[in-house]
Amino acid sequence: GQQLNQSPQSMFIQEGEDVSMNCTSSSIFNTWLWYKQDPGEGPVLLIALYKAGELTSNGRLTAQFGITRKDSFLNISASIPSDVGIYFCAGTNSGYALNFGKGTSLLVTP
Amino acid sequence: GAVVSQHPSWVICKSGTSVKIECRSLDFQATTMFWYRQFPKQSLMLMATSNEGSKATYEQGVEKDKFLINHASLTLSTLTVTSAHPEDSSFYICSASGTSGALDTQYFGPGTRLTVL
Repeated sequence: GQQLNQSPQSMFIQEGEDVSMNCTSSSIFNTWLWYKQDPGEGPVLLIALYKAGELTSNGRLTAQFGITRKDSFLNISASIPSDVGIYFCAGTNSGYALNFGKGTSLLVTP
Repeated sequence: GAVVSQHPSWVICKSGTSVKIECRSLDFQATTMFWYRQFPKQSLMLMATSNEGSKATYEQGVEKDKFLINHASLTLSTLTVTSAHPEDSSFYICSASGTSGALDTQYFGPGTRLTVL
């Protein structure tokens, strides 16, 4: 599979700030997924997007499936210290393996 | 829902021995399971894809005789690292997709830390 372009690579922000990260691909995907991984743990699914243009929220998290089907973004509003971790985007088509971004490392200071 | 477990969570073994890692879907049927390895500060690297009852499909560069995968039931897949060497030390993570959520959605286990001495 291909490695997706995920940016930024890392972010260092203060508690309460909003965060935005995005992911782009050279090919089209039918599904975009956003995961969070804590050190020594497996990735945990945050949001799944199945339709181009779809905007989905999960608490303070909001993600969108780009119209071109080649990109997606994740926003975190009013960040808190427990948001610290590595966020991965992933694109996939039915029955195929996930194509991951390199991850965005988020650090939040109180 | 959509819980995936892995056992053991960590293992230390001597070089030359074999290690088996189990991946279970606890509350759904996993028609497909995936095995990944992850090096520090890197993204997940797919090793193989397995469908229940059939042989696993390995990614290029992954030795199928070294990393034996068995997906004997809809809730269990195993990865056996045979004749382990220090360079096999890594974080191994499985994921499963199936009857929970959309078919494209993969749910990950907590990972297994393998250290080969």
